[in-house]
Amino acid sequence: AQSVAQPEDQVNVAEGNPLTVKCTYSVSGNPYLFWYVQYPNRGLQFLLKYITGDNLVKGSYGFEAEFNKSQTSFHLKKPSALVSDSALYFCAVRGGSGTYKYIFGTGTRLKVLA
Amino acid sequence: EPEVTQTPSHQVTQMGQEVILRCVPISNHLYFYWYRQILGQKVEFLVSFYNNEISEKSEIFDDQFSVERPDGSNFTLKIRSTKLEDSAMYFCASSEFRTSGGETQYFGPGTRLLVL
Repeated sequence: AQSVAQPEDQVNVAEGNPLTVKCTYSVSGNPYLFWYVQYPNRGLQFLLKYITGDNLVKGSYGFEAEFNKSQTSFHLKKPSALVSDSALYFCAVRGGSGTYKYIFGTGTRLKVLA
Repeated sequence: EPEVTQTPSHQVTQMGQEVILRCVPISNHLYFYWYRQILGQKVEFLVSFYNNEISEKSEIFDDQFSVERPDGSNFTLKIRSTKLEDSAMYFCASSEFRTSGGETQYFGPGTRLLVL
């Protein structure tokens, strides 16, 4: 069965420092991977996705993610964190062939400290 | 930028009552979804809908739940007789198309349902 894991409940980083939010996945077949961000009282906003091609995917708000097949990881990164990046981040994988549902990780709360 | 909208933002209901959660997907999207997030837990898939019929549903989506596209713009989730454990944030999502798997689902802001 397809699954994703976000091993950290919370990540703290100082403003201006690089940030990484980790995600590992388990899929049969080709992985289709997504990152979403949730700000308080808002819905899930799409950041970026990996379908195929370059392992480094660039997305919204300066975020990028690196797909690593050998490590089955899809970590979200940003070179320089902003206080406004503080939010809840979800990694998701498409549920497998024959299904279009997303399977979400448990979420990682990012706190960027001024 | 077009976005998915949902109403109401909050709903409080008594156990056993029926609730209808409403969503307006992005206008040129053809595929619609409902997910829910119980407080402190992960986002879970409920159902997907295309061409006026359910295309996929999860184990959570039992006979208490139904979905409908009553007109050209709205997409609704009905819970017939609410239970305490239905308390959650309900997200509607839509996607323009389905490729071999790379479609992006765009989510609404959610409806927080509280069942007392």
